[in-house]
Amino acid sequence: DAGVIQSPRHEVTEMGQEVTLRCKPISGHDYLFWYRQTMMRGLELLIYFNNNVPIDDSGMPEDRFSAKMPNASFSTLKIQPSEPRDSAVYFCASSLGVTQYFGPGTRLLVL
Amino acid sequence: QKEVEQDPGPLSVPEGAIVSLNCTYSNSAFQYFMWYRQYSRKGPELLMYTYSSGNKEDGRFTAQVDKSSKYISLFIRDSQPSDSATYLCAMSSNTGNQFYFGTGTSLTVIP
Repeated sequence: DAGVIQSPRHEVTEMGQEVTLRCKPISGHDYLFWYRQTMMRGLELLIYFNNNVPIDDSGMPEDRFSAKMPNASFSTLKIQPSEPRDSAVYFCASSLGVTQYFGPGTRLLVL
Repeated sequence: QKEVEQDPGPLSVPEGAIVSLNCTYSNSAFQYFMWYRQYSRKGPELLMYTYSSGNKEDGRFTAQVDKSSKYISLFIRDSQPSDSATYLCAMSSNTGNQFYFGTGTSLTVIP
């Protein structure tokens, strides 16, 4: 298996633009997690899905953030409109059971 | 109080030293304890996983859980420059549920 796949790997955009991050989990995994990592706050859970259904989105910072999982092999995290404080590395992870497997992350810079 | 506390370091040791990394937690419901290693500009990768209390050894790495003290440790013997990374502890109360991550300890092993 190729592991968790994320795209794009890097994204530079201007404030106010829409940003869409994509994730393909490991085949067969039934949980999918979106995290944000910054130096100041470490790794923060934004939202997670079980069998494509959002379970807990309490970590989503505000209404500008939304996430979807239309099927078992694809998820998106959208930021609209983006702001400079959204600059961070966004990770997707999937799991079947206890251990989570992380993707390589998307490094987002909002100017 | 945060769910998981971890000293961010940085920690710098000479090659061959024994390294001790630690986390404390407040939620007595945590049963699953993980250590992740994160190299610069990469996603976290699972290093060790322990269920409940006790020790687990894997090569040069030993994970230790003391549930009575709510304290977990990761020991690295004969540390190598390739061990230079950020180490994150993580814990969960049930399989697939939300993981709580420490902020990570940055380790540098000097040749």
